[in-house]
Parts: sequence; structure tokens; C-alpha cells
Amino acid sequence: DTGVSQDPRHKITKRGQNVTFRCDPISEHNRLYWYRQTLGQGPEFLTYFQNEAQLEKSRLLSDRFSAERPKGSFSTLEIQRTEQGDSAMYLCASSRIQQGVNEQFFGPGTRLTVL
Amino acid sequence: AQKITQTQPGMFVQEKEAVTLDCTYDTSDPSYGLFWYKQPSSGEMIFLIYQGSYDQQNATEGRYSLNFQKARKSANLVISASQLGDSAMYFCAMTPRYSGNEKLTFGTGTRLTIIP
Repeated sequence: DTGVSQDPRHKITKRGQNVTFRCDPISEHNRLYWYRQTLGQGPEFLTYFQNEAQLEKSRLLSDRFSAERPKGSFSTLEIQRTEQGDSAMYLCASSRIQQGVNEQFFGPGTRLTVL
Repeated sequence: AQKITQTQPGMFVQEKEAVTLDCTYDTSDPSYGLFWYKQPSSGEMIFLIYQGSYDQQNATEGRYSLNFQKARKSANLVISASQLGDSAMYFCAMTPRYSGNEKLTFGTGTRLTIIP
């Protein structure tokens, strides 16, 4: 069990550029979540996958954001035409239900800075 | 909709003392789970403890215990014998249960600083 990994850990980009983040969940976990955390706040839900199906998207996820989990394993989050307001930590979590408990394991996050 | 309120933005505690971090919640879901996570300066969210809304006993995990008072809608985290390594941000969170998504709703966190 190597835990949830995310790549890159840090990304600095200029406004208007596209960025893509990757998340590799724990291998036996069928659920995958993306959250966004801005300075001084708790993480906020962005989107959720069960296997390869994207089952819910937050209203925070504008048309510039897209997420995929093509084979039910790793996931990517792409932001097109980045804006300064997109600067945040993007956290990925994976889980499976065990004994009725959905304990989510988080990755180290990708810190995005938009200049 | 679910809401978590953490009213203590920051706390300073002497090493080896016990500390209580407050958390109140609001939900219309009949069944739900309550979580506490620790976030050190490195940024990773570390799971600490879980309490189900129908669990009869308060959860404990080593030095962590969850003081669950359902009627008051509170789920305070108690850390006994605090250590310097406990300095971090602490987040209370909740999910609905048996609803499919079970996304986490977080509070704004409490920054705990342990003083030597």
C-alpha cells in the first residue's frame, strides 16, 4: 500500500495557460474524490468518481475544469485558461466502503499558483 | 446540506497538557459520519478518528478521543498528553452515510500550537 500520490506537487503557471494534474489512488479503492483548498479554509468538494464514472460535480467546477478517470484507476484534473482565482491546493482522495465507513485517504496535494 | 462549524481559529497549549478542539455540525441526513483530520505544514490530510451517528460509544484512537454529543450536534476532538508533533491544522468533517457520494464537508479548521 503506497498511498495516494499526486503529480506535480507544485505548479506555477501564467494566467490563461492550461494545466493538468494527476492522481494515483490506492489500488483497491474504487472511489476517487477531488477537493480544492484555498488559504485559511477547509477543503471543498469538486468532483467524485466511482470506478470510471464521474457521478457528481460541484457547482465550484466551472466549464474550464474537467476531470477524467479513464480506466477506473488514475485520474486527471485539467484547468483550461487558468485565472488567478484558481490558485489553491488541489487534493485528491480515494476510498472504499469498509464496514459502512467511507474513510478517505488523501494525497499530498498539488499547489497551483497562477501569476 | 451539511455544515461544520469550528469556532477556534487558533489554540496554544502547553506540552503534555490535554486539549479539546470544538466542532459543531448541522445536517438533515438521518445517518452520517464525523471525521477529524490533521494537516501539518506539509499539506497532507491525515485521518485521525471517525464517529458514526448511530455508534453507541465515543470513538477513541490512541491519544485521540471524540466527545460525541448528538443532541447538541457536537463532535469535539480531545488530544491527551499533547506533544510538539501535534502542532498542525485540525479539521472536523462529516459525510452523509448510505447516500452514494459521501463527499466530505469540512470546517474552517483550528490551528493548534504546542508550546514546549
